[in-house]
Amino acid sequence: AQTVTQSQPEMSVQEAETVTLSCTYDTSESDYYLFWYKQPPSRQMILVIRQEAYKQQNATENRFSVNFQKAAKSFSLKISDSQLGDAAMYFCAYTPGSGTYKYIFGTGTRLKVLA
Amino acid sequence: DADVTQTPRNRITKTGKRIMLECSQTKGHDRMYWYRQDPGLGLRLIYYSFDVKDINKGEISDGYSVSRQAQAKFSLSLESAIPNQTALYFCATSDPRQVPYEQYFGPGTRLTVT
Repeated sequence: AQTVTQSQPEMSVQEAETVTLSCTYDTSESDYYLFWYKQPPSRQMILVIRQEAYKQQNATENRFSVNFQKAAKSFSLKISDSQLGDAAMYFCAYTPGSGTYKYIFGTGTRLKVLA
Repeated sequence: DADVTQTPRNRITKTGKRIMLECSQTKGHDRMYWYRQDPGLGLRLIYYSFDVKDINKGEISDGYSVSRQAQAKFSLSLESAIPNQTALYFCATSDPRQVPYEQYFGPGTRLTVT
């Protein structure tokens, strides 16, 4: 069965510092996609970054980047120059590359940003 | 205007009441989903629909039913609400033709069953 694990229920980071959120997954598929979603207090699920498994290059979106280790089945999110607005729940998610309905979410990591 | 909308945004209801949560989308996507979010459990799939005539149960469908009234509308019903259905509910859409199959979420409905 495909699973997504986020082992850090809560993390804290000082404003302007860098923090890394961990995510591991399990799948027998070779083609799949991985995502990080941010859920601020407004509750809206916001896509932060995506990674195609067939791409070796790690995805980057402004201050957000991933460390994608396919062999280790690891997909961590690095937030640089943390801002107060980064405080939120972050979810890692997986979907197979076959375009099925299946979308597996981790349990989330709550990030606190300290001023 | 938001692409995926949900009504109501918040709802408090009593045990045993019937309640409907509604979802509408303007993205033109055929696929729609209902998820439930609970603390420490992430998002879990309740029902999904590939089109108006294709509706399927997800991993936690017991106690819920759905209706796909049109391509743009997908409603979730709790026939007889119970307290452990207190949760945050999300509707989402996706297009299987659009790699990487991103899901687009509504703003969520906070449901409290007393």
